[in-house]
Amino acid sequence: ETGVTQTPRHLVMGMTNKKSLKCEQHLGHNAMYWYKQSAKKPLELMFVYNFKEQTENNSVPSRFSPECPNSSHLFLHLHTLQPEDSALYLCASSQELGRGEKLFFGSGTQLSVL
Amino acid sequence: SQQGEEDPQALSIQEGENATMNCSYKTSINNLQWYRQNSGRGLVHLILIRSNEREKHSGRLRVTLDTSKKSSSLLITASRAADTASYFCATDYFGSSNTGKLIFGQGTTLQVKP
Repeated sequence: ETGVTQTPRHLVMGMTNKKSLKCEQHLGHNAMYWYKQSAKKPLELMFVYNFKEQTENNSVPSRFSPECPNSSHLFLHLHTLQPEDSALYLCASSQELGRGEKLFFGSGTQLSVL
Repeated sequence: SQQGEEDPQALSIQEGENATMNCSYKTSINNLQWYRQNSGRGLVHLILIRSNEREKHSGRLRVTLDTSKKSSSLLITASRAADTASYFCATDYFGSSNTGKLIFGQGTTLQVKP
């Protein structure tokens, strides 16, 4: 266990559904991240939060809506997704936001959009 | 693109043999990290090497960095079946300032046969 917990582990949703992914870190870290991992593609950084403030949105479509109520929790709200959004969504945290910080990842949510 | 590129994409060896994976990147970096990912799980940090370091060891892992060639290698000695996983390099490049933006490569899939 890395101290970063993601739920659910698996999610199947239709294109018109609304669902949310949850991430919780028990490490006392200040920065949290959402990454997308698709087959045959490198990890893509989606969003970065530092002290619950968003510092980066990597040109992510608005059908993905992040929420960070505090430094320990991070959500990714999903609505009207497309089949190409099917992927493993990984949450990560780091002690601080900056160079040389190592990331602690959760186990991910495997999302399938039908 | 800044992303690292791992080589080879897939590697299959016998238990006890050494495994070498390479990573190349395109622009100047602050540091380079290696991560491991077991199938369907999150990434686990292995080792970080800074741009002013040439070699680093951690247990059975040896990482080298050649900034003149913009490349790094990860050597796993005396491999075990439990080392079967995907291995990713991630670069923290100069342009990212304090955003903590790590750029991941596509990874090398290592299979260690018992």
